[in-house]
Amino acid sequence: NAGVTQTPKFQVLKTGQSMTLQCAQDMNHNSMYWYRQDPGMGLRLIYYSASEGTTDKGEVPNGYNVSRLNKREFSLRLESAAPSQTSVYFCASTPSRVNTEAFFGQGTRLTVV
Amino acid sequence: KNQVEQSPQSLIILEGKNCTLQCNYTVSPFSNLRWYKQDTGRGPVSLTIMTFSENTKSNGRYTATLDADTKQSSLHITASQLSDSASYICVVLTGFQKLVFGTGTRLLVSP
Repeated sequence: NAGVTQTPKFQVLKTGQSMTLQCAQDMNHNSMYWYRQDPGMGLRLIYYSASEGTTDKGEVPNGYNVSRLNKREFSLRLESAAPSQTSVYFCASTPSRVNTEAFFGQGTRLTVV
Repeated sequence: KNQVEQSPQSLIILEGKNCTLQCNYTVSPFSNLRWYKQDTGRGPVSLTIMTFSENTKSNGRYTATLDADTKQSSLHITASQLSDSASYICVVLTGFQKLVFGTGTRLLVSP
């Protein structure tokens, strides 16, 4: 029972490079989320997908794009990484937008140099 | 503006001692309040979820309280263990299905 799985766990990028963070959940949850966690700040929502086929912006969407590939998978893409995107990224899922018991992945620590 | 504030920022206690973490929130409309435990290098894991009508909820050695009138919550840890060393995050769910996260309290339990 893996829950929410994120890959990779660590990544170093050069400014301007692109990359995709992968997230998959095996709990048959409808809703999935991407957050970033920065020192001294609470988790901030980047994008979410209330259900398969839909995506919406969160608090801090600039510089990111997402794809809800199917019910299990929700990826986050950085098209042109910037040092300000250095952060720890968490993927989460909930059974639905109404039932919001959230389960988090282990996180991806991204450094942009 | 919806905000969740936690205190203290960090705390060191001796193994076996009790401690209480505080959470104040200004969130409207309020739906529920959660406490999460986040071990270093891991994602947050839910400890409790409290609705408007619940004053106290326990999960093993963890007891959360909620005072909806003063918009305050606390998390009390009894007989602390080394494995309790972690960050504890208070999270409020708004009536618009938005989670508002506190910055967390970093707890270190020392032998």
